[in-house]
Amino acid sequence: DAGITQSPRHKVTETGTPVTLRCHQTENHRYMYWYRQDPGHGLRLIHYSYGVKDTDKGEVSDGYSVSRSKTEDFLLTLESATSSQTSVYFCAIRLAGENEQFFGPGTRLTVL
Amino acid sequence: AQKVTQAQTEISVVEKEDVTLDCVYETRDTTYYLFWYKQPPSGELVFLIRRNSFDEQNEISGRYSWNFQKSTSSFNFTITASQVVDSAVYFCALSSHAGNNRKLIWGLGTSLAVNP
Repeated sequence: DAGITQSPRHKVTETGTPVTLRCHQTENHRYMYWYRQDPGHGLRLIHYSYGVKDTDKGEVSDGYSVSRSKTEDFLLTLESATSSQTSVYFCAIRLAGENEQFFGPGTRLTVL
Repeated sequence: AQKVTQAQTEISVVEKEDVTLDCVYETRDTTYYLFWYKQPPSGELVFLIRRNSFDEQNEISGRYSWNFQKSTSSFNFTITASQVVDSAVYFCALSSHAGNNRKLIWGLGTSLAVNP
Protein backbone atom coordinates (compact mmCIF):
# COMPACT_ATOMS: atom_id res chain seq x y z
CA ASP A 1 0.00 0.00 0.00
CA ALA A 2 1.67 3.20 -1.19
CA GLY A 3 -0.58 5.39 0.96
CA ILE A 4 -2.21 7.27 -1.91
CA THR A 5 -5.68 8.71 -1.64
CA GLN A 6 -7.69 10.66 -4.15
CA SER A 7 -10.60 12.96 -3.50
CA PRO A 8 -13.31 13.13 -4.46
CA ARG A 9 -13.77 9.58 -5.72
CA HIS A 10 -16.75 10.53 -7.85
CA LYS A 11 -17.87 13.88 -9.13
CA VAL A 12 -20.53 15.11 -11.51
CA THR A 13 -20.26 18.68 -12.67
CA GLU A 14 -21.49 20.95 -15.41
CA THR A 15 -19.68 22.30 -18.41
CA GLY A 16 -17.83 25.50 -17.65
CA THR A 17 -17.38 24.97 -13.93
CA PRO A 18 -13.95 24.70 -12.31
CA VAL A 19 -13.00 21.38 -10.77
CA THR A 20 -10.08 20.45 -8.53
CA LEU A 21 -9.02 16.88 -7.87
CA ARG A 22 -6.71 16.11 -5.01
CA CYS A 23 -4.05 13.44 -4.69
CA HIS A 24 -2.61 12.91 -1.24
CA GLN A 25 0.30 10.66 -0.28
CA THR A 26 1.65 9.91 3.14
CA GLU A 27 5.20 8.76 2.40
CA ASN A 28 6.95 11.90 1.09
CA HIS A 29 7.58 10.55 -2.39
CA ARG A 30 9.13 13.11 -4.68
CA TYR A 31 7.54 12.08 -7.97
CA MET A 32 3.83 12.32 -8.60
CA TYR A 33 1.75 11.95 -11.76
CA TRP A 34 -1.75 12.60 -13.04
CA TYR A 35 -3.21 10.35 -15.75
CA ARG A 36 -6.56 10.05 -17.39
CA GLN A 37 -8.00 6.75 -18.58
CA ASP A 38 -10.39 6.60 -21.49
CA PRO A 39 -11.70 3.68 -23.55
CA GLY A 40 -9.66 3.25 -26.69
CA HIS A 41 -6.87 5.49 -25.41
CA GLY A 42 -5.56 3.67 -22.39
CA LEU A 43 -3.82 5.81 -19.82
CA ARG A 44 -2.38 9.15 -20.84
CA LEU A 45 -0.17 11.44 -18.82
CA ILE A 46 -1.59 14.87 -18.04
CA HIS A 47 1.04 16.42 -15.77
CA TYR A 48 3.75 15.26 -13.45
CA SER A 49 5.74 16.67 -10.57
CA TYR A 50 9.31 16.03 -9.51
CA GLY A 51 9.19 18.08 -6.32
CA VAL A 52 7.44 20.88 -4.51
CA LYS A 53 6.59 23.58 -7.04
CA ASP A 54 8.31 21.56 -9.79
CA THR A 55 5.83 20.38 -12.38
CA ASP A 56 5.77 19.72 -16.09
CA LYS A 57 3.33 18.88 -18.83
CA GLY A 58 2.45 15.46 -20.12
CA GLU A 59 0.95 14.51 -23.46
CA VAL A 60 -2.62 15.72 -22.80
CA SER A 61 -2.14 18.81 -20.64
CA ASP A 62 -4.41 21.25 -22.50
CA GLY A 63 -7.26 22.39 -20.26
CA TYR A 64 -5.52 21.22 -17.08
CA SER A 65 -3.27 22.85 -14.54
CA VAL A 66 -1.54 21.43 -11.50
CA SER A 67 -0.05 22.65 -8.28
CA ARG A 68 2.19 21.12 -5.68
CA SER A 69 2.75 23.43 -2.74
CA LYS A 70 3.72 20.63 -0.37
CA THR A 71 5.18 17.18 -0.88
CA GLU A 72 2.10 15.25 0.08
CA ASP A 73 -0.47 16.94 -2.16
CA PHE A 74 -0.69 17.17 -5.94
CA LEU A 75 -3.74 19.03 -7.20
CA LEU A 76 -5.22 18.79 -10.67
CA THR A 77 -7.47 21.64 -11.77
CA LEU A 78 -9.82 21.86 -14.70
CA GLU A 79 -10.28 25.60 -15.05
CA SER A 80 -13.47 25.28 -17.09
CA ALA A 81 -14.62 21.69 -17.41
CA THR A 82 -15.73 20.37 -20.79
CA SER A 83 -17.54 17.16 -21.69
CA SER A 84 -14.34 15.85 -23.28
CA GLN A 85 -12.80 15.84 -19.82
CA THR A 86 -15.24 13.20 -18.63
CA SER A 87 -12.86 10.44 -17.63
CA VAL A 88 -11.33 8.45 -14.83
CA TYR A 89 -8.38 10.26 -13.33
CA PHE A 90 -5.55 8.42 -11.64
CA CYS A 91 -2.80 9.80 -9.50
CA ALA A 92 0.47 7.89 -9.16
CA ILE A 93 3.68 8.11 -7.24
CA ARG A 94 7.13 6.88 -8.09
CA LEU A 95 9.89 6.20 -5.63
CA ALA A 96 13.14 8.03 -6.27
CA GLY A 97 15.58 5.76 -8.06
CA GLU A 98 12.87 3.33 -9.07
CA ASN A 99 10.77 3.14 -12.19
CA GLU A 100 7.47 1.54 -11.32
CA GLN A 101 4.56 3.75 -10.41
CA PHE A 102 1.92 3.06 -7.80
CA PHE A 103 -1.56 4.32 -8.30
CA GLY A 104 -4.31 5.84 -6.24
CA PRO A 105 -7.86 4.47 -6.43
CA GLY A 106 -8.97 6.89 -9.15
CA THR A 107 -11.59 9.62 -9.49
CA ARG A 108 -14.49 9.24 -11.85
CA LEU A 109 -15.40 12.65 -13.24
CA THR A 110 -18.50 13.28 -15.33
CA VAL A 111 -18.94 16.63 -17.04
CA LEU A 112 -22.51 17.21 -18.24
CA ALA B 1 9.02 7.10 -30.68
CA GLN B 2 8.03 4.69 -27.97
CA LYS B 3 5.02 2.45 -28.40
CA VAL B 4 3.41 -0.53 -26.73
CA THR B 5 1.08 -2.85 -28.60
CA GLN B 6 -1.22 -5.37 -26.99
CA ALA B 7 -2.81 -7.01 -29.99
CA GLN B 8 -5.30 -9.06 -28.01
CA THR B 9 -8.22 -6.85 -27.05
CA GLU B 10 -10.23 -9.53 -25.28
CA ILE B 11 -9.52 -13.10 -24.25
CA SER B 12 -11.99 -15.55 -22.75
CA VAL B 13 -10.89 -18.81 -21.15
CA VAL B 14 -12.31 -21.45 -18.91
CA GLU B 15 -10.97 -21.78 -15.41
CA LYS B 16 -7.75 -23.82 -15.12
CA GLU B 17 -6.68 -23.07 -18.68
CA ASP B 18 -3.31 -21.45 -19.26
CA VAL B 19 -3.40 -18.09 -21.01
CA THR B 20 -0.70 -15.87 -22.49
CA LEU B 21 -1.09 -12.13 -22.91
CA ASP B 22 1.11 -10.63 -25.60
CA CYS B 23 3.00 -7.36 -25.42
CA VAL B 24 5.22 -5.92 -28.15
CA TYR B 25 7.10 -2.69 -27.66
CA GLU B 26 9.09 -0.17 -29.66
CA THR B 27 11.83 2.04 -28.32
CA ARG B 28 15.15 3.48 -29.42
CA ASP B 29 16.47 3.64 -25.87
CA THR B 30 19.19 1.22 -24.91
CA THR B 31 18.06 1.21 -21.29
CA TYR B 32 14.37 0.92 -20.61
CA TYR B 33 11.87 -0.76 -18.35
CA LEU B 34 8.83 -2.87 -18.99
CA PHE B 35 5.87 -3.33 -16.69
CA TRP B 36 2.65 -5.23 -16.29
CA TYR B 37 -0.32 -3.86 -14.37
CA LYS B 38 -3.63 -5.44 -13.52
CA GLN B 39 -6.93 -3.56 -13.39
CA PRO B 40 -9.67 -5.71 -11.83
CA PRO B 41 -13.35 -4.85 -12.21
CA SER B 42 -13.11 -2.71 -9.08
CA GLY B 43 -10.98 -0.29 -11.09
CA GLU B 44 -7.72 0.10 -9.22
CA LEU B 45 -4.40 -0.32 -11.00
CA VAL B 46 -2.15 -2.92 -9.44
CA PHE B 47 1.56 -3.15 -10.23
CA LEU B 48 2.62 -6.73 -11.07
CA ILE B 49 6.17 -6.65 -12.34
CA ARG B 50 9.01 -4.52 -13.68
CA ARG B 51 11.68 -5.87 -16.01
CA ASN B 52 14.89 -4.00 -16.87
CA SER B 53 16.12 -4.08 -20.46
CA PHE B 54 19.50 -5.47 -19.45
CA ASP B 55 17.95 -8.44 -17.65
CA GLU B 56 16.40 -10.98 -19.99
CA GLN B 57 15.82 -13.63 -17.37
CA ASN B 58 12.29 -14.88 -17.29
CA GLU B 59 10.46 -14.54 -14.03
CA ILE B 60 7.94 -16.70 -12.26
CA SER B 61 5.75 -15.70 -9.37
CA GLY B 62 3.30 -18.39 -8.38
CA ARG B 63 0.94 -18.92 -11.30
CA TYR B 64 2.30 -15.88 -13.12
CA SER B 65 5.31 -15.92 -15.43
CA TRP B 66 6.84 -13.38 -17.76
CA ASN B 67 8.88 -13.99 -20.89
CA PHE B 68 11.08 -11.07 -21.98
CA GLN B 69 12.74 -11.36 -25.40
CA LYS B 70 14.70 -8.38 -26.68
CA SER B 71 15.21 -10.04 -30.07
CA THR B 72 11.49 -9.84 -30.76
CA SER B 73 10.78 -6.79 -28.55
CA SER B 74 8.24 -8.76 -26.60
CA PHE B 75 7.32 -9.06 -22.96
CA ASN B 76 4.61 -11.69 -22.66
CA PHE B 77 2.68 -12.63 -19.57
CA THR B 78 1.40 -16.13 -18.89
CA ILE B 79 -1.12 -17.14 -16.26
CA THR B 80 -1.02 -20.84 -15.51
CA ALA B 81 -4.16 -22.61 -14.30
CA SER B 82 -6.26 -19.46 -14.54
CA GLN B 83 -8.82 -18.63 -11.89
CA VAL B 84 -11.94 -16.49 -11.91
CA VAL B 85 -10.12 -13.93 -9.76
CA ASP B 86 -7.69 -13.39 -12.64
CA SER B 87 -10.47 -11.73 -14.62
CA ALA B 88 -9.25 -8.20 -15.22
CA VAL B 89 -7.77 -5.86 -17.79
CA TYR B 90 -4.02 -6.29 -18.03
CA PHE B 91 -1.79 -3.48 -19.21
CA CYS B 92 1.75 -3.62 -20.49
CA ALA B 93 3.79 -0.41 -20.19
CA LEU B 94 7.22 0.93 -21.09
CA SER B 95 9.42 3.68 -19.68
CA SER B 96 12.84 5.02 -20.49
CA HIS B 97 15.69 5.35 -18.05
CA ALA B 98 16.47 8.98 -18.60
CA GLY B 99 15.18 12.15 -16.99
CA ASN B 100 12.79 13.14 -14.25
CA ASN B 101 9.76 12.16 -16.23
CA ARG B 102 10.11 8.37 -16.52
CA LYS B 103 6.61 8.49 -17.90
CA LEU B 104 4.88 5.24 -18.68
CA ILE B 105 3.83 4.50 -22.23
CA TRP B 106 0.85 2.22 -22.04
CA GLY B 107 -0.65 -0.41 -24.24
CA LEU B 108 -4.42 -0.37 -24.61
CA GLY B 109 -4.84 -3.41 -22.43
CA THR B 110 -6.13 -6.94 -22.79
CA SER B 111 -9.40 -7.79 -21.11
CA LEU B 112 -9.22 -11.30 -19.70
CA ALA B 113 -12.39 -13.13 -18.72
CA VAL B 114 -11.94 -16.37 -16.83
CA ASN B 115 -15.17 -18.32 -16.76
CA PRO B 116 -16.02 -20.99 -14.20
